[in-house]
Amino acid sequence: ETGVTQSPTHLIKTRGQQVTLRCSSQSGHNTVSWYQQALGQGPQFIFQYYREEENGRGNFPPRFSGLQFPNYSSELNVNALELDDSALYLCASTQSLDGAEAFFGQGTRLTVV
Amino acid sequence: QQQVKQSPQSLIVQKGGISIINCAYENTAFDYFPWYQQFPGKGPALLIAIRPDVSEKKEGRFTISFNKSAKQFSLHIMDSQPGDSATYFCAAGDSGAGSYQLTFGKGTKLSVIP
Repeated sequence: ETGVTQSPTHLIKTRGQQVTLRCSSQSGHNTVSWYQQALGQGPQFIFQYYREEENGRGNFPPRFSGLQFPNYSSELNVNALELDDSALYLCASTQSLDGAEAFFGQGTRLTVV
Repeated sequence: QQQVKQSPQSLIVQKGGISIINCAYENTAFDYFPWYQQFPGKGPALLIAIRPDVSEKKEGRFTISFNKSAKQFSLHIMDSQPGDSATYFCAAGDSGAGSYQLTFGKGTKLSVIP
């Protein structure tokens, strides 16, 4: 088990609603990345946060946004939920911005109905 | 555009056999190649990783072979056990943007039968 914790573990939302997912990084890790994993697919990079700033973004629209707090924990916010947003959302932390080893949390399973 | 292609999609191996999963990449800027193991309902767990300056890395029963000229790398699981049954993902990272953003393959579902 890694020290990365995510909440909640499961969530059901209605199309058009907004959702906030939370992540606590592993102790000593200051960089957090978010990934979306659709059923039967590999994780896809959403964005990364370092020193409370977004540092790199994948091919996701602006309705996906995030925050990082001084204690390095992070939030992922998704506005105007669509059915295709249903997925496992994974948070990964690395020891530093140029650290390669990424440790994942157990994920939040989001279902949009 | 799928930058990391993984095969096979599924694999059935007998207990004690060797499991082999292959990946190919296109982006020559990739400089970090990890493998992750994922059990149902869990997040991916880092298994083993390699950088392109070495051709092979072994950790216990797990070995990565890396062929830089062919832009291919593979995971070998020796003496496969039923507990190894999981989905395996290869990934590639590029530090060029100042941080590592991992690009994953689509995964291989491994079943080890007794």
